[in-house]
Amino acid sequence: DTGVSQDPRHKITKRGQNVTFRCDPISEHNRLYWYRQTLGQGPEFLTYFQNEAQLEKSRLLSDRFSAERPKGSFSTLEIQRTEQGDSAMYLCASSLDSGSVEQFFGPGTRLTVL
Amino acid sequence: TQLLEQSPQFLSIQEGENLTVYCNSSSVFSSLQWYRQEPGEGPVLLVTVVTGGEVKKLKRLTFQFGDARKDSSLHITAAQPGDTGLYLCAGAVNYGQNFVFGPGTRLSVLP
Repeated sequence: DTGVSQDPRHKITKRGQNVTFRCDPISEHNRLYWYRQTLGQGPEFLTYFQNEAQLEKSRLLSDRFSAERPKGSFSTLEIQRTEQGDSAMYLCASSLDSGSVEQFFGPGTRLTVL
Repeated sequence: TQLLEQSPQFLSIQEGENLTVYCNSSSVFSSLQWYRQEPGEGPVLLVTVVTGGEVKKLKRLTFQFGDARKDSSLHITAAQPGDTGLYLCAGAVNYGQNFVFGPGTRLSVLP
């Protein structure tokens, strides 16, 4: 079990560019979550998937954000036309199934928008 | 409005001291988790509590879930510098829903 992995670990981009992050959950985990964490705050929920279905999206997820999990395994989070306010740590977590109360986090992707 | 409040926000203590941090809400949670997060890393799960009044011990850490399942505490005995980090609580209002996090307590244990 290699745990949840995220790629890249760090991304620096210029305002207006598009970025895409990848998350590979623990194998056989059906649930996958995306969170955003800014300095000094706890993680804020963005969206989650049950297999390939996106079940809930936070109001934080503006039209510039899109997430996919096409085959029910890895997931991608894309941010279009990045803004400086998008600078944050983007965390991915997975859990076994809908009845599981425990989620396991990846190391995160630190995004800096210049 | 924070669904989960944590206190204190910051805590700096000497090695060997005991401490307690708190997680409070006006909402009832079906389960509550405690995580520890180090700078530049994702949160690491410490414990899950699901039953009101439940007490769990993990070496020098003692976790308690309130009887009404609205609050929780984490007590650390004889803190060590390795305990330094951001302690986060997270709750699920209902099974199968997303989790909400508190803002965390940043603990610093000085040698």
